[in-house]
Amino acid sequence: GIQVEQSPPDLILQEGANSTLRCNFSDSVNNLQWFHQNPWGQLINLFYIPSGTKQNGRLSATTVATERYSLLYISSSQTTDSGVYFCAVVQGAQKLVFGQGTRLTINP
Amino acid sequence: ETGVTQSPTHLIKTRGQQVTLRCSSQSGHNTVSWYQQALGQGPQFIFQYYREEENGRGNFPPRFSGLQFPNYSSELNVNALELDDSALYLCASSRTGGTEAFFGQGTRLTVV
Repeated sequence: GIQVEQSPPDLILQEGANSTLRCNFSDSVNNLQWFHQNPWGQLINLFYIPSGTKQNGRLSATTVATERYSLLYISSSQTTDSGVYFCAVVQGAQKLVFGQGTRLTINP
Repeated sequence: ETGVTQSPTHLIKTRGQQVTLRCSSQSGHNTVSWYQQALGQGPQFIFQYYREEENGRGNFPPRFSGLQFPNYSSELNVNALELDDSALYLCASSRTGGTEAFFGQGTRLTVV
């Protein structure tokens, strides 16, 4: 099956710094989503981005489907950005396949 | 618009018991999927339901079963609980399979 790899696994930054999270996938996909998992476990939708670039406030994402990767950019990080970020892809019309996540810690 | 809701939020069961978890899909969504997330791991697909039929299954044993009701809500049943079943169980709904999925807050199951 398709493999999803996220990097880095852990990232520690100071408040105000910028960060880039990467997601590589091993095959063509129909769908790619980025999520932020809050401390209570809920997955919060950030982007639905099978291809192209989208922006939402301080966050933006780019997926280059032909090269099988996606990037999530966080600018001017805040402590509330801390948590685990997941990339997930779909082949066909069924399951989301998740990466192992990037744990982001923003220190004040 | 009502989001995805799951119940209960937490529960503790004894090894060998059976458990039922519930999920109400987001308004306008007809597809529900269930995921298991062990500590420190990414969520793993259990199965998906569409029009009250199972529409895809991950690598989970038959003691994991589910239902979808005419209002698109869903249940996950786990029989003969094992200690390794302790995890966060997440439900997701989408308009159809493969489109943007939205998750509930999860049910944290502890098996002792």
